[in-house]
Amino acid sequence: AQKVTQAQTEISVVEKEDVTLDCVYETRDTTYYLFWYKQPPSGELVFLIRRNSFDEQNEISGRYSWNFQKSTSSFNFTITASQVVDSAVYFCALSDLNSGYALNFGKGTSLLVTP
Amino acid sequence: GAGVSQTPSNKVTEKGKYVELRCDPISGHTALYWYRQSLGQGPEFLIYFQGTGAADDSGLPNDRFFAVRPEGSVSTLKIQRTERGDSAVYLCASSPGTGGGNTIYFGEGSWLTVV
Repeated sequence: AQKVTQAQTEISVVEKEDVTLDCVYETRDTTYYLFWYKQPPSGELVFLIRRNSFDEQNEISGRYSWNFQKSTSSFNFTITASQVVDSAVYFCALSDLNSGYALNFGKGTSLLVTP
Repeated sequence: GAGVSQTPSNKVTEKGKYVELRCDPISGHTALYWYRQSLGQGPEFLIYFQGTGAADDSGLPNDRFFAVRPEGSVSTLKIQRTERGDSAVYLCASSPGTGGGNTIYFGEGSWLTVV
């Protein structure tokens, strides 16, 4: 069963636009962790953020912000004033006791930011 | 180096051959993970080690795949009798420990092509 769903396969925006990447997860555990990773064309997965299930506070880091809502099982990621360097594939991932805390990844959203 | 190191970065092999992929985790990280990523997909969990032992190998697709970590540091993923369907990027990752509270850091991957 798919535990992490990223419904948006590809998104294309023009530089300086804001863009939100959606992530919906599924778990039966009360303790779990959610992650976002960025995968630029070079291929390396770059860690962006980790949140635990007990902390629903939204987080902002520069142009990046994350909205965690347990009521809708969502952990969405917004890039404000997008830049060409933001072009990459972004993965949402879930870690829970059922999976032995190994990461379960969504299929990713490919973001293209054009000048 | 400071990050997870994987060798080779690229490997082309003939169908039926044996392949070894090596991973050198971040110094001091006790947990080590192997993932496989096919084109257009998110990484899929294969196996993880806590120390020298394989704590969970449920993601290994069949008995042609095997991994070791004899001294609790470097790990080798071994693939016997390779098939064209094994072509993918094999990602290694490490974390300070297991449990969802740890961030998992990825290497750049080993691109395997079976011809």
